[in-house]
Amino acid sequence: DGGITQSPKYLFRKEGQNVTLSCEQNLNHDAMYWYRQDPGQGLRLIYYSQIVNDFQKGDIAEGYSVSREKKESFPLTVTSAQKNPTAFYLCASSNWGLMNQPQHFGDGTRLSIL
Amino acid sequence: DQQVKQNSPSLSVQEGRISILNCDYTNSMFDYFLWYKKYPAEGPTFLISISSIKDKNEDGRFTVFLNKSAKHLSLHIVPSQPGDSAVYFCAAPLRKTSGSRLTFGEGTQLTVNP
Repeated sequence: DGGITQSPKYLFRKEGQNVTLSCEQNLNHDAMYWYRQDPGQGLRLIYYSQIVNDFQKGDIAEGYSVSREKKESFPLTVTSAQKNPTAFYLCASSNWGLMNQPQHFGDGTRLSIL
Repeated sequence: DQQVKQNSPSLSVQEGRISILNCDYTNSMFDYFLWYKKYPAEGPTFLISISSIKDKNEDGRFTVFLNKSAKHLSLHIVPSQPGDSAVYFCAAPLRKTSGSRLTFGEGTQLTVNP
């Protein structure tokens, strides 16, 4: 059964600590995305990757880093430079370049600060 | 710059009645739109889409209408069911610059009362 798996579902971070959120997909999609959702706001794009070993900043990339070493995996690191990391993080994937191909989302990771 | 806006944060309707969710956009280059549905603690799921060459697209109880001159689209759910209670996001791909990268509205929380 194809899909996107995000782990963990809940994550707690101490001040000054980096944490990494996992995202794995078995949909054979080329493109992967990371979004952040805050209460009362839409999804804001953090980073996206069209192909392996390539990624681009989204609208709110500061304080975050990513890697794309494998087609199936797109981990997101929330660094200590991100001053307001508490949010719901969503990973998505899609076929790149096809406008009518909807993005498929994982079930998210909720990150909180201790 | 919020290019896709959903001005109603919430909507409450009675079961069996029509739900109408609205979305406005400012970027005249947008020519494809998607609606996503999101339950709490889950990722969004694709619901329905519309291309700018059409003014209406229907899928079962869900119909999306597009008014290009007004830069406005709406999602109609008829008849509404309690299971439709969720947050609904409209989204548009930034086609000219980045393929299927999406920009999202803020979302509307729909509550369908039995």
